[in-house]
Amino acid sequence: DTAVSQTPKYLVTQMGNDKSIKCEQNLGHDTMYWYKQDSKKFLKIMFSYNNKELIINETVPNRFSPKSPDKAHLNLHINSLELGDSAVYFCASSEQGAQYGYTFGSGTRLTVV
Amino acid sequence: LAKTTQPISMDSYEGQEVNITCSHNNIATNDYITWYQQFPSQGPRFIIQGYKTKVTNEVASLFIPADRKSSTLSLPRVSLSDTAVYYCLVGGLMDSSYKLIFGSGTRLLVRP
Repeated sequence: DTAVSQTPKYLVTQMGNDKSIKCEQNLGHDTMYWYKQDSKKFLKIMFSYNNKELIINETVPNRFSPKSPDKAHLNLHINSLELGDSAVYFCASSEQGAQYGYTFGSGTRLTVV
Repeated sequence: LAKTTQPISMDSYEGQEVNITCSHNNIATNDYITWYQQFPSQGPRFIIQGYKTKVTNEVASLFIPADRKSSTLSLPRVSLSDTAVYYCLVGGLMDSSYKLIFGSGTRLLVRP
């Protein structure tokens, strides 16, 4: 079983569209995250949820809205997609405090054309 | 969170031991040191974590001097499949707002 699974793996869409990326973890972790890795390969945290509560919200445009229906799921909805949103988005989860490390999903490659 | 500095890239050959050093001069008392590995088209994978001295697991060893201002990830007898980007991170724990901040990482290329 995949510990942290993201869907879709690839997403190609036009500017201005709205899209969602789903993430699910079966590890029983309390905290989930979204990271963005741009073309220069820098990984930047976007959001973090702990038991469905938003705890980290970095400087991310309002067009990005995370939603956590339960602690095993953290979805990312993006409105009015722009070319600069093209990147690989990684979901991750951890025990509270992350003292044992994060488990990352395999990523969703978003291409906005 | 403490900033880390590590070499941008390293080359090695199969069977060699590879040591990647990371500097973290401003590490705080409650910070741990964690290393991640990332293969192309995959998410980062936790390798090893330590606080001081030496930690060893089935994948790697982590050496941390007494002043904790640096750490060295040691990969014994690397193979081609160890070609990846290796990230060194430091941060506090036991806090639900703890977040991992990734630097640029070290791109390791293992040659035949």
